[in-house]
Amino acid sequence: ETGVTQTPRHLVMGMTNKKSLKCEQHLGHNAMYWYKQSAKKPLELMFVYNFKEQTENNSVPSRFSPECPNSSHLFLHLHTLQPEDSALYLCASSHGRGTGELFFGEGSRLTVL
Amino acid sequence: AQSVSQHNHHVILSEAASLELGCNYSYGGTVNLFWYVQYPGQHLQLLLKYFSGDPLVKGIKGFEAEFIKSKFSFNLRKPSVQWSDTAEYFCAVNFPRGGADGLTFGKGTHLIIQP
Repeated sequence: ETGVTQTPRHLVMGMTNKKSLKCEQHLGHNAMYWYKQSAKKPLELMFVYNFKEQTENNSVPSRFSPECPNSSHLFLHLHTLQPEDSALYLCASSHGRGTGELFFGEGSRLTVL
Repeated sequence: AQSVSQHNHHVILSEAASLELGCNYSYGGTVNLFWYVQYPGQHLQLLLKYFSGDPLVKGIKGFEAEFIKSKFSFNLRKPSVQWSDTAEYFCAVNFPRGGADGLTFGKGTHLIIQP
């Protein structure tokens, strides 16, 4: 139990589908993050939310659309993805005080056919 | 550009061997430094962290790391590894940014301990 829960754990979708990944944190944190973990590449920071406001978007294609309705929930809406988007998508949370200590979920393994 | 480099991508050791994994970062200012571990099929979890003070920090499971500012390095060490240490190890740095705490990670080191 990590305190950060991601669903679904596995997702297979076609390039024309629309799906969403969900993340929920039970740690009372103020900041939430989406990372992409691909084989042989460093974890890539995609989006940062602090107190529900997006503070960082690292040039992520618009086919990935994040949503943060409150400090405990974070979504990643997916549409018209490409096979190269197949990866493990990790959600993390933190106090947001600038220390850098993140708490990660177990990830959602996405396969795009 | 701010970056994090891990020199060893795959390391294979026998049980009881000593371990040192290298990590360097490129940034001239103050940073916070981390090592995370990802055991097979599990989530990323914090192994240890350095914010300030004693440059030799101790973490969980007998791991330690030393921050050498002049070398921009934060190498991970363990005197005697166990089979259960088989995992992926990631060095991460909190570069100053306008937002919250987004970490920049190295590519990771896949460590295999042979019984």
